[in-house]
Amino acid sequence: GQQVMQIPQYQHVQEGEDFTTYCNSSTTLSNIQWYKQRPGGHPVFLIQLVKSGEVKKQKRLTFQFGEAKKNSSLHITATQTTDVGTYFCAGGRDNTDKLIFGTGTRLQVFP
Amino acid sequence: DTAVSQTPKYLVTQMGNDKSIKCEQNLGHDTMYWYKQDSKKFLKIMFSYNNKELIINETVPNRFSPKSPDKAHLNLHINSLELGDSAVYFCASSQELLVTGELFFGEGSRLTVL
Repeated sequence: GQQVMQIPQYQHVQEGEDFTTYCNSSTTLSNIQWYKQRPGGHPVFLIQLVKSGEVKKQKRLTFQFGEAKKNSSLHITATQTTDVGTYFCAGGRDNTDKLIFGTGTRLQVFP
Repeated sequence: DTAVSQTPKYLVTQMGNDKSIKCEQNLGHDTMYWYKQDSKKFLKIMFSYNNKELIINETVPNRFSPKSPDKAHLNLHINSLELGDSAVYFCASSQELLVTGELFFGEGSRLTVL
C-alpha cells in the first residue's frame, strides 16, 4: 500500500538554527498538505501544495512540492521555541483517495 | 466556539468494556473522519463519512462501529476493548471530500485500556 515516510524522525536544534523535514511518498501524489501538532495538542493545518515544483512561504516557513510530486519538504528559518511540535505531511494518490499521513518529524528547540 | 469538539477528552477503562466517543462539528462540513494516533504518533485514518454515508472503512476490527446521526455528528463505539486500543482518537471534518480538503481536528480523546 501507499507509504509516506518523513525524515528525520526527531530533530533537536538550538534556537535560531534552521530546520528541514523531508516527506517521501512511495507513489505520485495529487497534492500534499502539512500539519503541525504541538505537544499534547491536535494537528493543525498549515498549507496545501498541488502543483509540481510548487514553493510556498509562510513567514519563516518554506514549503516545497517535488517536480515528480512524490516528495515534499518543510524548511523553517531561524527556529523559535514556538516552533516546537511534530510536523506531518499528508497526501493522496488522486482526488478520490484518502489522505495518508506521513510518519512525522518531532522538532525540539532549545533556548 | 470550538469548531470540532470531542467528548470525553480522557477515558480510562478496563479490558473487555465497551466505550463511546462523541464528536460534533459546527463548521457546516459534509465530511467527518476518525483518526487513531498511537504511542509513536502515527496518524491512521479509520473511518470517513460524507453526509452520513460511510465512505472509508479502513481495516479496522469489527469491534469499532462508527455512527453518524446527522452530518454534524460522528460517534465511535468500541466493543470489548483491548490493550492495543489505547491511543488518542481524533475526530476531524473537512469541507471537501477526501484528499482535497483541509482537515479540522478535534482536541482528541485519549483512551487508556488497563
